[in-house]
Amino acid sequence: AQTVTQSQPEMSVQEAETVTLSCTYDTSESDYYLFWYKQPPSRQMILVIRQEAYKQQNATENRFSVNFQKAAKSFSLKISDSQLGDAAMYFCACSNAGNNRKLIWGLGTSLGVNP
Amino acid sequence: KAGVTQTPRYLIKTRGQQVTLSCSPISGHRSVSWYQQTPGQGLQFLFEYFSETQRNKGNFPGRFSGRQFSNSRSEMNVSTLELGDSALYLCASSLGQKNTEAFFGQGTRLTVV
Repeated sequence: AQTVTQSQPEMSVQEAETVTLSCTYDTSESDYYLFWYKQPPSRQMILVIRQEAYKQQNATENRFSVNFQKAAKSFSLKISDSQLGDAAMYFCACSNAGNNRKLIWGLGTSLGVNP
Repeated sequence: KAGVTQTPRYLIKTRGQQVTLSCSPISGHRSVSWYQQTPGQGLQFLFEYFSETQRNKGNFPGRFSGRQFSNSRSEMNVSTLELGDSALYLCASSLGQKNTEAFFGQGTRLTVV
């Protein structure tokens, strides 16, 4: 079974500063994906970044990057140059790499951005 | 290209009733997954449908069921509603193949009174 843990229920960051959200996971799968999703007040879940477990290189999408530590089963999200629009719930999720897409989610981190 | 559409957006039902929620995936997407989101339990996987067949199921009681039509639109049904079924129900669509992104709808907020 897969589990995902986000130990920070709430965080805040000053506009233009950098913040790191933590996530640890556990899985018995040898091939899997890890994701960070953003859920703004509109409730629509938006994919922020995705990491394929077999790739050693950390994924990067503009101001968003991850620190993927496979041995430690850690997958943190770094947001650089934080913007007011980054304020949202952030969820870490894991799925197997097969066709059967089943996402296992952490409980989320509420990120506030202070102007 | 239209996104994932979930209807209705809000729903209030009474205990014991049943409810049907609808999800229209992105055109060309053949996989639809359903998730329940509550403050206490977070997001939990309900089931996934691909080409009208359920190919994955979460740990929910038999009161929760779903189906998918030939046009890939999906419905989920909850019978004999309980207060604990109050939640945001999200659906996600994807091409259904390995390494494809899932796109989410805005959800249906179900309140059971």
